[in-house]
Amino acid sequence: AQTVTQSQPEMSVQEAETVTLSCTYDTSESDYYLFWYKQPPSRQMILVIRQEAYKQQNATENRFSVNFQKAAKSFSLKISDSQLGDAAMYFCAYRSTLMNTGNQFYFGTGTSLTVIP
Amino acid sequence: DTGVSQDPRHKITKRGQNVTFRCDPISEHNRLYWYRQTLGQGPEFLTYFQNEAQLEKSRLLSDRFSAERPKGSFSTLEIQRTEQGDSAMYLCASSRQGRYSPLHFGNGTRLTVT
Repeated sequence: AQTVTQSQPEMSVQEAETVTLSCTYDTSESDYYLFWYKQPPSRQMILVIRQEAYKQQNATENRFSVNFQKAAKSFSLKISDSQLGDAAMYFCAYRSTLMNTGNQFYFGTGTSLTVIP
Repeated sequence: DTGVSQDPRHKITKRGQNVTFRCDPISEHNRLYWYRQTLGQGPEFLTYFQNEAQLEKSRLLSDRFSAERPKGSFSTLEIQRTEQGDSAMYLCASSRQGRYSPLHFGNGTRLTVT
């Protein structure tokens, strides 16, 4: 099974500042998909941003962007102009394109983000 | 799009009892997933349905766990003879066809086995 590693259990950021959450993964595949999910306290997990491995251009969704380094197997999430509502647990996820395992999403252990007013 | 619905939100049961959870996916999604999440961990894959067919099961899933998705609509996850180690959040998610399609999660069912 693919391994997804989030090495920062907790992070904090001042409101309006920028923060970067790290994610690395282990795979021998050349094509795959990567996702960042946000899980606010006691609320459902929602998609933040996604990236296709064969696309070199980094994905951007409003204040959220990724730094995808395929050779380094790194997929970090940058949150600009942090807002109080960004406080949540953030999970990085990997999805294979292989037929026998491509239906599974592999998740990291998460990074808990605190936004300081 | 009314979202993924899970019932119940919370379940407390005694060890050895059977429990059943229900998930109603987004209506146009043909894929349905069950995940388990424990404190401080990311979601762990349990099983996956495409329409009514259960296509994948985690090797970690013991034979006390069974899932169904009759008629390719809602799904149920049953745990027989519950153990304290089964205490966790059970998440249901659905998605459209296509590997780039993201998962849409429900609020989860929190199971506590006493």
